[in-house]
Amino acid sequence: QKEVEQNSGPLSVPEGAIASLNCTYSDRVSQSFFWYRQYSGKSPELIMSIYSNGDKEDGRFTAQLNKASQYVSLLIRDSQPSDSATYLCAVDSGYNTNAGKSTFGDGTTLTVKP
Amino acid sequence: DTGVSQDPRHKITKRGQNVTFRCDPISEHNRLYWYRQTLGQGPEFLTYFQNEAQLEKSRLLSDRFSAERPKGSFSTLEIQRTEQGDSAMYLCASSFQGDADTQYFGPGTRLTVL
Repeated sequence: QKEVEQNSGPLSVPEGAIASLNCTYSDRVSQSFFWYRQYSGKSPELIMSIYSNGDKEDGRFTAQLNKASQYVSLLIRDSQPSDSATYLCAVDSGYNTNAGKSTFGDGTTLTVKP
Repeated sequence: DTGVSQDPRHKITKRGQNVTFRCDPISEHNRLYWYRQTLGQGPEFLTYFQNEAQLEKSRLLSDRFSAERPKGSFSTLEIQRTEQGDSAMYLCASSFQGDADTQYFGPGTRLTVL
């Protein structure tokens, strides 16, 4: 079992719809959680970080965290074709909140159709 | 310059040759990370530095790989006796301890071993 699991997709949604991306993790003591967007051939770009249970909103993006269920999600409202990319979930190393290392999932590929 | 930079952006080499990559982090960031990414996979942790100290190295990392950060600023990653399996995107990221280690990635160096 991988430490960070994501559905590989592809996930396809029509323009204007809500895209829902999910991630589960295995290390119960993880404290920090991140969503990155990666366009083909480019490096990951940070979208959201979340540290506490509940929701965190930033523009069209909402991150949701449930530590009891070891689950983190990303919602993209009013999806645009420019949102088409691979979305990577990253989780900190957990055993020490200052340890720095992040473990990444393999990403979910999102396609937003005009 | 407000971002992480990496040099070169692309490197083609023959099997058995040595290669060296450079990463310049965001200036106020004290942590620096190296990751490797292959197609369809998330970034895989290689090693990280806090200032000039190398604090962790992946157990999966061959002895052919070595990294340095001599003055706590830029870092180099060297691969000796390259193999075709080393072909990947090598990503550098930096963070500031105290910012929940939010990592910002450079553009990456794409290595092709013939």
